Amino acid sequence: DVKVTQSSRYLVKRTGEKVFLECVQDMDHENMFWYRQDPGLGLRLIYFSYDVKMKEKGDIPEGYSVSREKKERFSLILESASTNQTSMYLCASSLILGPGYTFGSGTRLTVV
Amino acid sequence: GENVEQHPSTLSVQEGDSAVIKCTYSDSASNYFPWYKQELGKRPQLIIDIRSNVGEKKDQRIAVTLNKTAKHFSLHITETQPEDSAVYFCAASPNQAGTALIFGKGTTLSVSS
Repeated sequence: DVKVTQSSRYLVKRTGEKVFLECVQDMDHENMFWYRQDPGLGLRLIYFSYDVKMKEKGDIPEGYSVSREKKERFSLILESASTNQTSMYLCASSLILGPGYTFGSGTRLTVV
Repeated sequence: GENVEQHPSTLSVQEGDSAVIKCTYSDSASNYFPWYKQELGKRPQLIIDIRSNVGEKKDQRIAVTLNKTAKHFSLHITETQPEDSAVYFCAASPNQAGTALIFGKGTTLSVSS
């Protein structure tokens, strides 16, 4: 079974803090993705990466950055957390052409 | 970029009835259309997918149909059971290197016994 592990299940941070969300997959997948999930808005793509050190912006990259120094690890960085970034963050991985994504369990981030 | 619309946002059915969820997409380059099921408090899981060279695919009680000309695809669940209650997401992608799935906003399906 492919495993996608997100380092924290719940996280509470203060406004203005720099926040790191970590994601690790163990099946040598080329692609990794970060989505945020909000009620009524579905899953919105923040950033993705198809290779080490490569990154592509998704639909809502503002306020976020990413890092992929190793194939198995993809980090999402909130440079200066704001309350509107309170959300569930889902990491996923896949082979270069799918067939489908494997999601992590998610990190519920609350910014106060 | 791709835009995926999903309807309805909520769907309530009686156990044993059928349920249909519909999605439309905008990018004619999209050729891969998966469906994910997310139970409360759990991660989304792939339940079925279809590629553009196929018009219909079936797996036991679930089926997906695709109309590339009209740019829409649908999920059909027959003989619904309470354990089918979940949020369902459709998605679309060109499925090429350097692309990502774009998801619909989800449909909350409630099956009452």
